[in-house]
Amino acid sequence: DIQMTQSPSSVSASVGDRVTITCRASQGISSWLAWYQQKPGKAPKLLIYTASSLQSGVPSRFSGSGSGTDFTLTISSLQPEDFATYFCQQANSFPFTFGPGTKVDLK
Amino acid sequence: QVQLQESGPGLVKPSETLSLTCTVSGGSVTVGTYYWSWIRQPPGKGLEWIGYIYDRGITNYNPSLKSRVTISLDTSKNQVSLKLTSMTAVDTAVYYCARGPPGDPNWFDPWGQGTQVTVSS
Repeated sequence: DIQMTQSPSSVSASVGDRVTITCRASQGISSWLAWYQQKPGKAPKLLIYTASSLQSGVPSRFSGSGSGTDFTLTISSLQPEDFATYFCQQANSFPFTFGPGTKVDLK
Repeated sequence: QVQLQESGPGLVKPSETLSLTCTVSGGSVTVGTYYWSWIRQPPGKGLEWIGYIYDRGITNYNPSLKSRVTISLDTSKNQVSLKLTSMTAVDTAVYYCARGPPGDPNWFDPWGQGTQVTVSS
């Protein structure tokens, strides 16, 4: 199985900050990567797919980049509704696997 | 807009079989272009893909669960079902159903709200 790691595991930030989260795959996955946002007690929500494609309805302050083994999710200007946990997921090969998550909380 | 709703027993005894259903509204499970997945999340932990079904019966399962899992469609009720046998404490999790974009098994959107399953005697 492809192992996904994320860093940092948590980040404290303020409204308006630029936040960057990193995801690394244990082997190359081309651009077969997605990012999800999960709020407490809620289902995850798809933000980004194929590493950099913005899901319909997702604000443009979210962006994704990377290919191969290293990927980033950037929130350009953090908004109050963005405090959540973010997961990456690889779809290069079965079984699909997820990263452990990065919690973004209020500084 | 399609909506998914999971349901099932909140408590299962060790060694028993878990049966969950995902009721789909605003769309049909018989449309062959969609992949219907189950994903779970143990308490305080990350997400684990269980498997998917598409085209009325073609399945793909996580090898770590393959010997115990069955995903099926009930077209008469517009539901996706999950059965997981020989439950143990490590199977305690929130179980989600999710659908992918048309013709695409790789991403999950939308998701159901999830249903908590606890394994305990």
